[in-house]
Amino acid sequence: NAGVTQTPKFQVLKTGQSMTLQCAQDMNHEYMSWYRQDPGMGLRLIHYSVGAGITDQGEVPNGYNVSRSTTEDFPLRLLSAAPSQTSVYFCASTQWQGSDTQYFGPGTRLTVL
Amino acid sequence: EDKVVQSPLSLVVHEGDTVTLNCSYEVTNFRSLLWYKQEKKAPTFLFMLTSSGIEKKSGRLSSILDKKELFSILNITATQTGDSAVYLCAVEETSGSRLTFGEGTQLTVNP
Repeated sequence: NAGVTQTPKFQVLKTGQSMTLQCAQDMNHEYMSWYRQDPGMGLRLIHYSVGAGITDQGEVPNGYNVSRSTTEDFPLRLLSAAPSQTSVYFCASTQWQGSDTQYFGPGTRLTVL
Repeated sequence: EDKVVQSPLSLVVHEGDTVTLNCSYEVTNFRSLLWYKQEKKAPTFLFMLTSSGIEKKSGRLSSILDKKELFSILNITATQTGDSAVYLCAVEETSGSRLTFGEGTQLTVNP
């Protein structure tokens, strides 16, 4: 049971490049989410999904796309990276009902030059 | 708009001190309040609180929720250098498992 995995751990992009941050969980959790963490800002919700085929926007969705074709995977896409997207990105999952905690992935540190 | 405010934003204490971290919230459909500890990596779960007045304890850490006044506190007694971390408070809505996080409290425990 690997829990929540994220790849890559580190990434440097140039402005305008695109990339996908991968997130997978093997706990059969229905709910998955993406957060970004910036100094002094806490964790902010980007997008979330309550099950395969269903996604919704969080607090800071602009510049990011997500999809949820399977229960296990929830990739986050940056279509045209901007320096403002330099951050640490965390993926998390939890059971849909009766959950008592969210399980976080190890994070991806992204730098956009 | 849902809002979670933590105070203080940073705190420096000496080993052995007792600290109290505060978290106040404004959430439309409250389900639970959660505390996390973060040490330069992903947050780790500490407590989930759903009912007022019931203290949760884990070793030297304890937490309590006041749903009338809309706040929670996290106490750490006899602090150790290993307690140095950012402590995050988050509130979960009933409409889904969305979490709204506060900014966090940076706790530094000096020897």
